[in-house]
Parts: sequence; structure tokens; C-alpha cells
Amino acid sequence: EDQVTQSPEALRLQEGESSSLNCSYTVSGLRGLFWYRQDPGKGPEFLFTLYSAGEEKEKERLKATLTKKESFLHITAPKPEDSATYLCAVQAHLQGGKLIFGQGTELSVKP
Amino acid sequence: DAGVIQSPRHEVTEMGQEVTLRCKPISGHNSLFWYRQTMMRGLELLIYFNNNVPIDDSGMPEDRFSAKMPNASFSTLKIQPSEPRDSAVYFCASRPSEGSGANVLTFGAGSRLTVL
Repeated sequence: EDQVTQSPEALRLQEGESSSLNCSYTVSGLRGLFWYRQDPGKGPEFLFTLYSAGEEKEKERLKATLTKKESFLHITAPKPEDSATYLCAVQAHLQGGKLIFGQGTELSVKP
Repeated sequence: DAGVIQSPRHEVTEMGQEVTLRCKPISGHNSLFWYRQTMMRGLELLIYFNNNVPIDDSGMPEDRFSAKMPNASFSTLKIQPSEPRDSAVYFCASRPSEGSGANVLTFGAGSRLTVL
């Protein structure tokens, strides 16, 4: 069964304190791994797609990496506005277009 | 583009009542997804459509749930009769079939359902 596990469940950082979020997955043929950001009361907002091991994507203070078993979302020198829940999702080759989401990591960045 | 539009944003109803949630996908997107989000279970896929045809409804909890997509610009998710355990935020998402964003789901703002 395809599965996505994110850790930690919650992460509190001071402004400027870099860290990483983990997304471990088991899937029968990875078609793509996705990172989304979700703010309270809103729908998830797309950040990155990664397709193959070794691939990296960057956007401002965020950098996503992918291996054959997991993905990391690195946050460099975070700011309070980076506070949100970060969701990881996988898409499998034989599962059509659907995404299977992890439970998310709730990030809080204090000034 | 106005994005994916969902209504109502909030719905409070009593157990046993019928609930209908609505979604207007982004124009030109030919795949539409309904997800449910709770604290306990996170985001769960309920059903998705390609070109208005239901492709996978294995996530629909039970017969009380039904979804339709009568045309490319409108979909409904209906719960009849509703139960307190159906309380959740229901998200609709859409994506195009081709182009640079072909794999990317765009989510609506969600419909928060509370069943008393």
C-alpha cells in the first residue's frame, strides 16, 4: 500500500534558525513527489514537484530534495511568514492522477 | 483566473440532513478531485474525475456520499443523511491534462462542514 509519513509533526524555530522537514514514502513506482504549503483556513498551495532521485528544487528560503525513499524540505534562515503546515504527497504510476498526502508538519517560526 | 471556487465556505447542519457541496474548477482543467481533511486522518482522497467521468471513487466512505460532475465547470459532493463524523473540511482541486502544470493540483479554499 502506498504510504507517506512526515516528521516531525510539529516544529518550532526561532527566526533565522535553519532546519529540515522529512517525508518518507513507500510507493509502487513513483511518478512524482509534491510539496504543498497550507495556511490556516486555506487550501494547500503548491510549492514543488520532484520526479527522480537526486533532483533538487529551490524557492526563496525553501529547498526540496529527493532520494529513493524520502524527501527533505530544507528551510534556510526562516522568517515568521514561513509559519504554516507543510504537506508532502506522492503520485504513483499505476494510480492515475491521485495524490496521497502525509499528515503534514506544522512549522512555527518565532521572531 | 479566480482559481477553484467552492461553496459554501461554512456549513452547519443537524444530523440526518442532506448536505451539498459545490465546486467550480479552473477553466481548462479536465481533472477534478474531492478531498476531505480532518485532524485525525489528514487529507484523504474521496473521488476524482477525468473529463467529467468518475475514475476512482474508492475513497468514498459509504453510500451516504455521492459525487457528480455534470459538465466541465461544475461538480457536487452530496452527503445524505449527514452524521457528526462527517464533520471535516472538504476540498475540491483541479488540474490540467497537459502543459507545464499537468501534474499540479490547484486547491480551492475548502468547505468547512459541521454536523451537530
